[in-house]
Amino acid sequence: QQQVKQSPQSLIVQKGGISIINCAYENTAFDYFPWYQQFPGKGPALLIAIRPDVSEKKEGRFTISFNKSAKQFSLHIMDSQPGDSATYFCAASIEDSSYKLIFGSGTRLLVRP
Amino acid sequence: NAGVMQNPRHLVRRRGQEARLRCSPMKGHSHVYWYRQLPEEGLKFMVYLQKENIIDESGMPKERFSAEFPKEGPSILRIQQVVRGDSAAYFCASSPRDEKLFFGSGTQLSVL
Repeated sequence: QQQVKQSPQSLIVQKGGISIINCAYENTAFDYFPWYQQFPGKGPALLIAIRPDVSEKKEGRFTISFNKSAKQFSLHIMDSQPGDSATYFCAASIEDSSYKLIFGSGTRLLVRP
Repeated sequence: NAGVMQNPRHLVRRRGQEARLRCSPMKGHSHVYWYRQLPEEGLKFMVYLQKENIIDESGMPKERFSAEFPKEGPSILRIQQVVRGDSAAYFCASSPRDEKLFFGSGTQLSVL
């Protein structure tokens, strides 16, 4: 019940295309859903986050779509660029312990020029 | 404003030795968290500390692992009598409150 399942494991997209990464969860107590971006040799960096009271959040080329009834959320990267090539992790946590992030297994994104 | 500083970046230990990983939080952050990342996996929570207090250690293995965040100086994650299964990237994060974690670049521990 504490798992967050992430797919796909890897993704190749052409420059300018849309990258879509999906996550699903079981625990309905989760109420904070961040996405992290990690470059090789670096720590994860918070990209964008959403709470279940909204169905979509957009920041620049990055959008989170959230479907509470389906217990799914996804990251869309519009106009993907080679510099977006990184590993992306979705995560979830409960308000009372929002520091205790449950991470997905990661998606390795490669954007071809 | 320096980010979360971890050292060393790489640490090699032989089985049975001790490993000490250090973390200095961002300026103004009083909350420190340790996570572990095994190859091809997501990060897993280990422990949450504030100055001189362990707030939540529910993710820490019961034996050989300990963490501290003293009044002065960095937070330390200590692994005694390391085994090959301890090989992983260990990430420290900090926050001004228990939200919006900022991660360091990690320490890659290799046990020979």
